[in-house]
Amino acid sequence: DAMVIQNPRYQVTQFGKPVTLSCSQTLNHNVMYWYQQKSSQAPKLLFHYYDKDFNNEADTPDNFQSRRPNTSFCFLDIRSPGLGDAAMYLCATSRDYIMGEQYFGPGTRLTVT
Amino acid sequence: GESVGLHLPTLSVQEGDNSIINCAYSNSASDYFIWYKQESGKGPQFIIDIRSNMDKRQGQRVTVLLNKTVKHLSLQIAATQPGDSAVYFCAEMEYGNKLVFGAGTILRVKS
Repeated sequence: DAMVIQNPRYQVTQFGKPVTLSCSQTLNHNVMYWYQQKSSQAPKLLFHYYDKDFNNEADTPDNFQSRRPNTSFCFLDIRSPGLGDAAMYLCATSRDYIMGEQYFGPGTRLTVT
Repeated sequence: GESVGLHLPTLSVQEGDNSIINCAYSNSASDYFIWYKQESGKGPQFIIDIRSNMDKRQGQRVTVLLNKTVKHLSLQIAATQPGDSAVYFCAEMEYGNKLVFGAGTILRVKS
Protein backbone atom coordinates (compact mmCIF):
# COMPACT_ATOMS: atom_id res chain seq x y z
CA ASP A 1 0.00 0.00 0.00
CA ALA A 2 1.24 3.46 -0.85
CA MET A 3 2.60 5.32 2.17
CA VAL A 4 3.25 8.71 0.56
CA ILE A 5 0.57 9.66 -1.93
CA GLN A 6 0.72 12.55 -4.34
CA ASN A 7 -2.15 13.94 -6.34
CA PRO A 8 -2.45 14.52 -9.14
CA ARG A 9 0.36 12.55 -10.80
CA TYR A 10 0.27 14.90 -13.79
CA GLN A 11 -0.79 18.52 -13.68
CA VAL A 12 -1.01 21.01 -16.51
CA THR A 13 -1.41 24.68 -15.71
CA GLN A 14 -1.20 27.90 -17.64
CA PHE A 15 1.50 30.48 -17.26
CA GLY A 16 0.62 32.63 -14.25
CA LYS A 17 -2.33 30.52 -13.12
CA PRO A 18 -2.05 29.37 -9.48
CA VAL A 19 -1.75 25.67 -8.93
CA THR A 20 -1.78 23.44 -5.84
CA LEU A 21 -0.14 20.05 -5.53
CA SER A 22 -1.09 17.72 -2.74
CA CYS A 23 0.69 15.12 -0.65
CA SER A 24 -0.64 12.80 2.01
CA GLN A 25 1.05 10.20 4.18
CA THR A 26 -0.09 7.20 6.19
CA LEU A 27 3.14 6.88 8.16
CA ASN A 28 2.32 9.45 10.84
CA HIS A 29 5.74 10.98 10.31
CA ASN A 30 6.63 14.29 11.87
CA VAL A 31 8.51 15.73 8.91
CA MET A 32 7.22 16.39 5.40
CA TYR A 33 9.39 17.73 2.60
CA TRP A 34 8.85 19.20 -0.85
CA TYR A 35 11.49 18.79 -3.53
CA GLN A 36 11.69 20.08 -7.07
CA GLN A 37 13.36 17.83 -9.63
CA LYS A 38 14.04 19.02 -13.15
CA SER A 39 14.87 16.68 -15.99
CA SER A 40 18.15 14.79 -15.53
CA GLN A 41 18.87 16.62 -12.28
CA ALA A 42 18.90 15.68 -8.62
CA PRO A 43 15.99 16.59 -6.34
CA LYS A 44 16.34 20.03 -4.80
CA LEU A 45 14.78 20.77 -1.43
CA LEU A 46 12.28 23.64 -1.45
CA PHE A 47 11.10 23.52 2.17
CA HIS A 48 9.95 21.20 4.90
CA TYR A 49 7.67 21.06 7.92
CA TYR A 50 8.62 19.55 11.22
CA ASP A 51 5.15 19.10 12.65
CA LYS A 52 3.73 22.61 12.21
CA ASP A 53 7.07 24.39 12.04
CA PHE A 54 7.83 25.58 8.53
CA ASN A 55 11.45 25.64 7.33
CA ASN A 56 12.14 27.38 4.06
CA GLU A 57 15.32 26.96 2.04
CA ALA A 58 17.13 30.24 1.47
CA ASP A 59 17.03 29.97 -2.32
CA THR A 60 13.39 28.89 -2.68
CA PRO A 61 11.52 31.56 -4.68
CA ASP A 62 8.66 33.42 -2.97
CA ASN A 63 6.42 32.06 -5.69
CA PHE A 64 6.42 28.74 -3.83
CA GLN A 65 4.39 28.37 -0.66
CA SER A 66 3.35 25.45 1.47
CA ARG A 67 0.62 24.51 3.93
CA ARG A 68 0.34 21.64 6.35
CA PRO A 69 -3.16 21.63 7.87
CA ASN A 70 -2.59 18.39 9.78
CA THR A 71 -0.05 15.58 10.21
CA SER A 72 -1.21 13.67 7.16
CA PHE A 73 -1.46 16.36 4.50
CA CYS A 74 0.89 18.89 3.00
CA PHE A 75 0.29 21.17 0.01
CA LEU A 76 2.59 22.96 -2.39
CA ASP A 77 1.16 26.18 -3.82
CA ILE A 78 2.74 27.85 -6.81
CA ARG A 79 1.25 31.32 -6.96
CA SER A 80 2.23 32.34 -10.48
CA PRO A 81 3.83 29.46 -12.35
CA GLY A 82 6.42 30.32 -14.94
CA LEU A 83 7.77 28.13 -17.71
CA GLY A 84 10.84 27.48 -15.56
CA ASP A 85 8.69 25.89 -12.88
CA ALA A 86 7.88 22.91 -15.06
CA ALA A 87 9.35 19.97 -13.19
CA MET A 88 8.63 16.89 -11.13
CA TYR A 89 7.59 17.81 -7.59
CA LEU A 90 8.39 15.21 -4.99
CA CYS A 91 6.97 14.93 -1.52
CA ALA A 92 8.86 12.99 1.14
CA THR A 93 8.44 12.20 4.81
CA SER A 94 10.68 11.16 7.67
CA ARG A 95 9.88 10.14 11.22
CA ASP A 96 12.08 12.86 12.64
CA TYR A 97 15.50 14.36 12.17
CA ILE A 98 17.42 11.66 14.02
CA MET A 99 16.03 8.81 11.91
CA GLY A 100 16.93 10.49 8.66
CA GLU A 101 15.57 8.04 6.10
CA GLN A 102 13.12 9.87 3.86
CA TYR A 103 10.26 8.11 2.09
CA PHE A 104 9.32 9.62 -1.24
CA GLY A 105 6.02 9.74 -3.05
CA PRO A 106 5.73 9.06 -6.78
CA GLY A 107 5.84 12.74 -7.65
CA THR A 108 3.62 15.13 -9.59
CA ARG A 109 4.84 16.17 -13.01
CA LEU A 110 3.91 19.79 -13.63
CA THR A 111 3.64 21.19 -17.13
CA VAL A 112 3.26 24.94 -17.65
CA THR A 113 1.79 26.08 -20.95
CA GLY B 1 27.58 25.59 -0.05
CA GLU B 2 29.25 22.23 0.09
CA SER B 3 27.97 19.60 -2.26
CA VAL B 4 27.86 15.95 -3.04
CA GLY B 5 29.00 14.84 -6.48
CA LEU B 6 29.37 11.71 -8.55
CA HIS B 7 32.34 10.67 -10.70
CA LEU B 8 30.52 8.77 -13.47
CA PRO B 9 27.31 10.00 -15.05
CA THR B 10 26.55 6.69 -16.83
CA LEU B 11 27.53 3.13 -16.02
CA SER B 12 26.82 0.19 -18.34
CA VAL B 13 27.23 -3.33 -17.02
CA GLN B 14 26.47 -6.81 -18.25
CA GLU B 15 23.69 -8.69 -16.52
CA GLY B 16 25.17 -10.82 -13.77
CA ASP B 17 28.22 -8.64 -13.26
CA ASN B 18 28.81 -6.54 -10.16
CA SER B 19 28.24 -2.77 -10.34
CA ILE B 20 30.07 -0.09 -8.42
CA ILE B 21 28.71 3.43 -8.29
CA ASN B 22 30.90 6.09 -6.71
CA CYS B 23 30.19 9.35 -4.96
CA ALA B 24 32.40 12.08 -3.53
CA TYR B 25 31.26 14.39 -0.80
CA SER B 26 32.86 17.55 0.50
CA ASN B 27 31.23 18.24 3.86
CA SER B 28 33.34 16.49 6.47
CA ALA B 29 30.69 17.26 9.09
CA SER B 30 28.05 15.13 7.38
CA ASP B 31 27.20 12.12 9.49
CA TYR B 32 24.61 10.23 7.51
CA PHE B 33 24.50 9.06 3.91
CA ILE B 34 21.81 7.39 1.84
CA TRP B 35 21.69 5.76 -1.56
CA TYR B 36 18.47 6.12 -3.53
CA LYS B 37 17.33 4.41 -6.72
CA GLN B 38 15.02 6.30 -9.04
CA GLU B 39 13.26 4.60 -11.92
CA SER B 40 11.78 6.60 -14.75
CA GLY B 41 8.63 8.46 -13.70
CA LYS B 42 8.89 7.42 -10.07
CA GLY B 43 10.10 8.94 -6.83
CA PRO B 44 13.46 7.99 -5.30
CA GLN B 45 13.42 4.69 -3.49
CA PHE B 46 15.59 4.08 -0.44
CA ILE B 47 18.26 1.42 -0.99
CA ILE B 48 20.66 1.56 1.92
CA ASP B 49 22.10 4.03 4.40
CA ILE B 50 25.23 4.37 6.50
CA ARG B 51 26.25 6.53 9.41
CA SER B 52 29.66 8.10 9.72
CA ASN B 53 30.68 5.81 12.59
CA MET B 54 30.67 2.87 10.15
CA ASP B 55 32.73 2.13 7.06
CA LYS B 56 30.65 -0.67 5.56
CA ARG B 57 27.07 -1.79 5.58
CA GLN B 58 25.47 -4.64 3.70
CA GLY B 59 21.95 -5.23 2.49
CA GLN B 60 20.40 -7.66 0.10
CA ARG B 61 22.75 -7.68 -2.93
CA VAL B 62 23.95 -4.19 -2.04
CA THR B 63 26.89 -2.92 -0.02
CA VAL B 64 27.72 0.65 0.87
CA LEU B 65 31.29 1.62 1.67
CA LEU B 66 32.25 4.88 3.35
CA ASN B 67 35.80 6.22 3.35
CA LYS B 68 35.84 9.31 5.51
CA THR B 69 39.54 9.92 4.94
CA VAL B 70 38.98 10.71 1.28
CA LYS B 71 35.30 11.61 1.61
CA HIS B 72 34.16 8.87 -0.70
CA LEU B 73 31.04 6.75 -0.78
CA SER B 74 30.32 3.79 -3.02
CA LEU B 75 27.40 1.50 -3.76
CA GLN B 76 28.13 -2.04 -4.83
CA ILE B 77 25.40 -4.10 -6.45
CA ALA B 78 26.09 -7.82 -6.73
CA ALA B 79 24.87 -9.85 -9.70
CA THR B 80 23.29 -6.86 -11.40
CA GLN B 81 19.88 -7.53 -12.93
CA PRO B 82 17.89 -5.69 -15.62
CA GLY B 83 15.56 -4.44 -12.90
CA ASP B 84 18.50 -2.57 -11.38
CA SER B 85 18.54 -0.19 -14.34
CA ALA B 86 17.76 3.25 -12.94
CA VAL B 87 19.35 6.50 -11.81
CA TYR B 88 21.21 6.17 -8.52
CA PHE B 89 21.65 9.13 -6.20
CA CYS B 90 23.83 9.42 -3.16
CA ALA B 91 22.59 11.87 -0.59
CA GLU B 92 24.32 13.48 2.33
CA MET B 93 22.62 14.55 5.51
CA GLU B 94 23.67 17.99 6.62
CA TYR B 95 22.79 19.59 9.92
CA GLY B 96 20.54 16.74 10.95
CA ASN B 97 17.64 17.47 8.66
CA LYS B 98 18.66 18.41 5.16
CA LEU B 99 19.46 15.86 2.48
CA VAL B 100 21.75 17.10 -0.27
CA PHE B 101 21.63 14.91 -3.35
CA GLY B 102 24.47 14.18 -5.70
CA ALA B 103 24.10 14.61 -9.44
CA GLY B 104 23.06 11.00 -10.11
CA THR B 105 24.49 8.05 -12.05
CA ILE B 106 22.55 6.23 -14.74
CA LEU B 107 23.00 2.47 -14.46
CA ARG B 108 22.25 0.52 -17.63
CA VAL B 109 22.18 -3.26 -17.46
CA LYS B 110 22.76 -5.11 -20.71
CA SER B 111 21.18 -8.52 -21.14
